[in-house]
Amino acid sequence: GDSVTQTEGLVTLTKGLPVMLNCTYQTTYSPFLFWYVQHLNEAPKLLLKSSTDNKRTEHQGFYATLHKSSSSFHLQKSSVQLSDSALYFCALSGGGYKLTFGTGTSLLVDP
Amino acid sequence: NAGVIQTPRHKVTGKGQEATLWCEPISGHSAVFWYRQTIVQGLEFLTYFRNQAPIDDSGMPKERFSAQMPNQSHSTLKIQSTQPQDSAVYLCASSFQGNTEVFFGKGTRLTVV
Repeated sequence: GDSVTQTEGLVTLTKGLPVMLNCTYQTTYSPFLFWYVQHLNEAPKLLLKSSTDNKRTEHQGFYATLHKSSSSFHLQKSSVQLSDSALYFCALSGGGYKLTFGTGTSLLVDP
Repeated sequence: NAGVIQTPRHKVTGKGQEATLWCEPISGHSAVFWYRQTIVQGLEFLTYFRNQAPIDDSGMPKERFSAQMPNQSHSTLKIQSTQPQDSAVYLCASSFQGNTEVFFGKGTRLTVV
């Protein structure tokens, strides 16, 4: 079945520094990848999505590129802000309706 | 648009009691999902309805969990004989057609004591 791996459970950074959150996946179908962000006591919200190989997608300063050759969809931002502190989930739709999520990465930004 | 509405936001039940969780999807959305969120497992798929019909319940624990969607405006997740390991945040989500952007509710935090 489909699977998503996020290797970092917790990332702590100082405001203004760049960040990369890792996401790799496995599927036998044509992949559609997503990043969701969940702030404390809030609903997960879609941040980015892509199904196009080697094309960078951006939103709210975050960006990611789907690389089918390495089965990766890493999330990056060049300068994190305090408001970026949240839980980030990578998710995969491997050909249908069901989203398979990674275990999530908590990003904590210090002043 | 109030988004996906879940009630209650918090529920505490005693071991062995029943818990019913409610979800109101976004009006016009034909796809409804239930997920369970824990720190260890992250977000786990439980079940999926399309146009109120159950399509996929492959993530549901078979013995004590059940989900229904009696009309297009609400779905319920029922857990019978709750156990401490059922403690989690249960998230409901909806989308327009099931393969488009999925919108989540804020979840119900279930604590079984």
